[in-house]
Amino acid sequence: EAGVVQSPRYKIIEKKQPVAFWCNPISGHNTLYWYLQNLGQGPELLIRYENEEAVDDSQLPKDRFSAERLKGVDSTLKIQPAELGDSAVYLCASSKDPGREAFFGQGTRLTVV
Amino acid sequence: GQQLNQSPQSMFIQEGEDVSMNCTSSSIFNTWLWYKQDPGEGPVLLIALYKAGELTSNGRLTAQFGITRKDSFLNISASIPSDVGIYFCAGFWGGATNKLIFGTGTLLAVQP
Repeated sequence: EAGVVQSPRYKIIEKKQPVAFWCNPISGHNTLYWYLQNLGQGPELLIRYENEEAVDDSQLPKDRFSAERLKGVDSTLKIQPAELGDSAVYLCASSKDPGREAFFGQGTRLTVV
Repeated sequence: GQQLNQSPQSMFIQEGEDVSMNCTSSSIFNTWLWYKQDPGEGPVLLIALYKAGELTSNGRLTAQFGITRKDSFLNISASIPSDVGIYFCAGFWGGATNKLIFGTGTLLAVQP
């Protein structure tokens, strides 16, 4: 069974430019999470989807961040415009059912210069 | 609030030693998960705990769900060099269904 797939693995952009990350969850997993991980810290939740519905986006900075999960499968996370402080690792995870074990992708390391 | 305090922050041990780390909170959690993260990779799930008092093993790893539902610990027996990495606890917070919160991590270094 394929794991959670994220792309790209690495991205370097100039500040004020837009950037997008893509996530393909494990097949059959209805719950999808996007996390932000700063260096030396634990992951912090940005948004959680149950199927195509964003059920928890309270931590998502909505002035510049947006996310979508069309058809309840793949998801994209977008930042526009990017700021220097957005440099971090963006992790996607999925689980079969709410409250069950979550499996992570390899992450996208974003560097804003 | 729903914070997870993980300790110790770091551990430097000799190969073959046993390791113990724990995670505590002032809030009740419904589920505890333990992950290991290698540099440049995403967290990898090690053990999942779903019931208070539950004790679960995965090879040399053993984890327990505290009976108060506010803590969990992870033990690694007979450590080997490939155990090196950052270990995170995570929990589904009882106050908001399915909100998965992570601890601050424990860095483990193993000297061969």
